[in-house]
Amino acid sequence: DVKVTQSSRYLVKRTGEKVFLECVQDMDHENMFWYRQDPGLGLRLIYFSYDVKMKEKGDIPEGYSVSREKKERFSLILESASTNQTSMYLCASLRQTNSNQPQHFGDGTRLSIL
Amino acid sequence: QKEVEQNSGPLSVPEGAIASLNCTYSDRVSQSFFWYRQYSGKSPELIMSIYSNGDKEDGRFTAQLNKASQYVSLLIRDSQPSDSATYLCAVRGYSGGGADGLTFGKGTHLIIQP
Repeated sequence: DVKVTQSSRYLVKRTGEKVFLECVQDMDHENMFWYRQDPGLGLRLIYFSYDVKMKEKGDIPEGYSVSREKKERFSLILESASTNQTSMYLCASLRQTNSNQPQHFGDGTRLSIL
Repeated sequence: QKEVEQNSGPLSVPEGAIASLNCTYSDRVSQSFFWYRQYSGKSPELIMSIYSNGDKEDGRFTAQLNKASQYVSLLIRDSQPSDSATYLCAVRGYSGGGADGLTFGKGTHLIIQP
């Protein structure tokens, strides 16, 4: 089974802080994704990565950056956290580019910005 | 803007009946289609995937795809109370997330009444 692990289930931070959300997958998947999920808005793609040190913007990248220094790890960074970034954050991985295989999700990090 | 539309519900179905969940999508070049189930406070888990027109069955679940009508559905036979959840339709195509980014509907909340 694919295992996608997010470092924290719950996180509380203050406005203006730099926040790191970590995600690790153990199946040597090429692709990794960060989504956020908000009531009434559904799941929205923030950033994704096809390979180490490669990143692409998703639909809502503003206020976020990412880092992928190793294949198994994909980090989401909130450079200066704001209250509108309070959300559920979900990491996902996919075996290879342009495949019909599904994305596998981690358990999510519920982030509160005070 | 690529869109995936679902009726938000709630959809209430008696135990043992067939639950029918529907989804339409706007991007004609969409490649792959997925149904995820999400329990409250949990991350999405894959239920079904479908890539070709027609029906695909897996146990109590049947996915149906009609690319000409840009329509995908999920049927759940012999509905159980444990099927009560939010069902997310996801489409892989050439969204802002690139060829592998998923565009999600906002989900249909299904309630199975004992």
